[in-house]
Amino acid sequence: DAGVTQSPTHLIKTRGQQVTLRCSPKSGHDTVSWYQQALGQGPQFIFQYYEEEERQRGNFPDRFSGHQFPNYSSELNVNALLLGDSALYLCASSLWDPTNEKLFFGSGTQLSVL
Amino acid sequence: AQTVTQSQPEMSVQEAETVTLSCTYDTSESNYYLFWYKQPPSRQMILVIRQEAYKQQNATENRFSVNFQKAAKSFSLKISDSQLGDTAMYFCAFMNGNAGNMLTFGGGTRLMVKP
Repeated sequence: DAGVTQSPTHLIKTRGQQVTLRCSPKSGHDTVSWYQQALGQGPQFIFQYYEEEERQRGNFPDRFSGHQFPNYSSELNVNALLLGDSALYLCASSLWDPTNEKLFFGSGTQLSVL
Repeated sequence: AQTVTQSQPEMSVQEAETVTLSCTYDTSESNYYLFWYKQPPSRQMILVIRQEAYKQQNATENRFSVNFQKAAKSFSLKISDSQLGDTAMYFCAFMNGNAGNMLTFGGGTRLMVKP
């Protein structure tokens, strides 16, 4: 049973560019959340997708957008990259069922903005 | 909004000894969950232990146990018989039980287990 998979593992971009990160949830999961983890800090919630719609959003600008596909996989898009967007981006999958609070994380995509 | 605070940026412990990591949180919610996650160099967040706020009994998972003090809003993690493989970043996290599976993390504690 594959867990949460993220691609690519590492990415280098320059300021002003756009980037797309990808996530495949754990088998059977229907909800995908994205987190940004800056160096030396705890992860911060970006947004969550269920049934191909954004359900919750953290305090991130509109440059951060996402998408969920019918197979539950998800993409995170960041436009007009800033140096401060350099971070580890973690994807977590879960069930939408409110009685099930367990999240499973991928190993992340390390984004460096030069 | 909820906040989670981990006041110990770094800790070290000798192999086979016991160590306690501290975490405090602030919330006005009554239905919530608390978690400890481990993040080794592989970067993947691994769930160590979870606690439902409505349960008075402290959670335990093998060598890992918590001291959940609801009134004090404190949630510490005790690691017994520390092993070299326990070396990692540890994050305390909060989830509002009424707001979907969204986690609020603390800043983390780097734990080094010394041989």
